[in-house]
Amino acid sequence: DVKVTQSSRYLVKRTGEKVFLECVQDMDHENMFWYRQDPGLGLRLIYFSYDVKMKEKGDIPEGYSVSREKKERFSLILESASTNQTSMYLCASSSRKGNYGYTFGSGTRLTVV
Amino acid sequence: RKEVEQDPGPFNVPEGATVVFNCTYSNSASQSFFWYRQDCRKEPKLLMSVYSSGNEDGRFTAQLNRASQYISLLIRDSKLSDSATYLCVVIGTGGFKTIFGAGTRLFVKA
Repeated sequence: DVKVTQSSRYLVKRTGEKVFLECVQDMDHENMFWYRQDPGLGLRLIYFSYDVKMKEKGDIPEGYSVSREKKERFSLILESASTNQTSMYLCASSSRKGNYGYTFGSGTRLTVV
Repeated sequence: RKEVEQDPGPFNVPEGATVVFNCTYSNSASQSFFWYRQDCRKEPKLLMSVYSSGNEDGRFTAQLNRASQYISLLIRDSKLSDSATYLCVVIGTGGFKTIFGAGTRLFVKA
């Protein structure tokens, strides 16, 4: 079964900490994405990547950075966590072949205290 | 105008009802269309791709009308297990821009 795996299901961090969220896919997908989802706001795109070492800002990149050193891995970094970054973070991947449908990871619920 | 708009919901229906979710999109060059299902505190999962010819999977039927820039999802004979949020997803040319609708919440009650 194809998978997108996120490293942590639940995470609690302190304000000011540097936080790493890891995402790995085993489908050889070119495209990878990081979203956050908050009640009433839906899915909002933070960053995406169409290839190794390539990254593009999404709609809400402030306070985040990303790294894609290998095709299968896309990391989201919170440089200095703040309470307004408490959210559900979802990683997704898609292929440039076919119809581009997304596969999501199971999400990381991050709480910043 | 939002790029993808869905019925605001929530929909509260009894078991056995037929439900239709509607979604409109603004970019006429959009290429791929999907319905995703998201259960509470879980990730979205692909329910169906949507084609101009329409497609059916058991109790679920999806339709695309490119001229009207409109897609729909029909659920027949609703089950309690259909209770979830349904997300309309529209992808631009080359897969380079994906827009998620805000979702429509469905509650199916016994």
